[in-house]
Amino acid sequence: SQQGEEDPQALSIQEGENATMNCSYKTSINNLQWYRQNSGRGLVHLILIRSNEREKHSGRLRVTLDTSKKSSSLLITASRAADTASYFCATDAGNNDMRFGAGTRLTVKP
Amino acid sequence: EPEVTQTPSHQVTQMGQEVILRCVPISNHLYFYWYRQILGQKVEFLVSFYNNEISEKSEIFDDQFSVERPDGSNFTLKIRSTKLEDSAMYFCASGKRSGDTEAFFGQGTRLTVV
Repeated sequence: SQQGEEDPQALSIQEGENATMNCSYKTSINNLQWYRQNSGRGLVHLILIRSNEREKHSGRLRVTLDTSKKSSSLLITASRAADTASYFCATDAGNNDMRFGAGTRLTVKP
Repeated sequence: EPEVTQTPSHQVTQMGQEVILRCVPISNHLYFYWYRQILGQKVEFLVSFYNNEISEKSEIFDDQFSVERPDGSNFTLKIRSTKLEDSAMYFCASGKRSGDTEAFFGQGTRLTVV
């Protein structure tokens, strides 16, 4: 299926540590996006990486994409308690149906 | 900052009733989406809409569902003959272009079917 699948399902770390979440998908994509969702609220876009890009940075976020392995990772450096949320990857194959995975629930303990 | 707005925030309906979930996308966006999320589970794609017609729909989006853009600002999802398993958060999203740009999500409508 086109949609991404994140792992781990849940991740608990201490404030200041780095958090790494992974996403795998099965079909060819045009781009991959990462979104964040605070409990019970809408999704907020974090970063988009195109299929011809390998790495992208935005503030404390670093995203990598390996199209040969059909996988992506999201690294949050120097995590804060406010980073506690669910993180989703979403894949787009160019047919206007961006698909999400089940998400990684990140808990950052103060 | 422009945002996608959804109404109502919470809707309770009797099983078998019809519901209409409303969304006002960002005004200069051309692509519109509905997703649903059963509590604590994955975000599931329902349908995308462009140029006044459905461009893609998932296997979930069967004859029970329909979408409409009745005027220049609203985008609605109608669910006919609701079932208990339709209980979920329903999110509307909009984007300027298809795929290669971010989608902006509303805060969702929590639908509870009793």
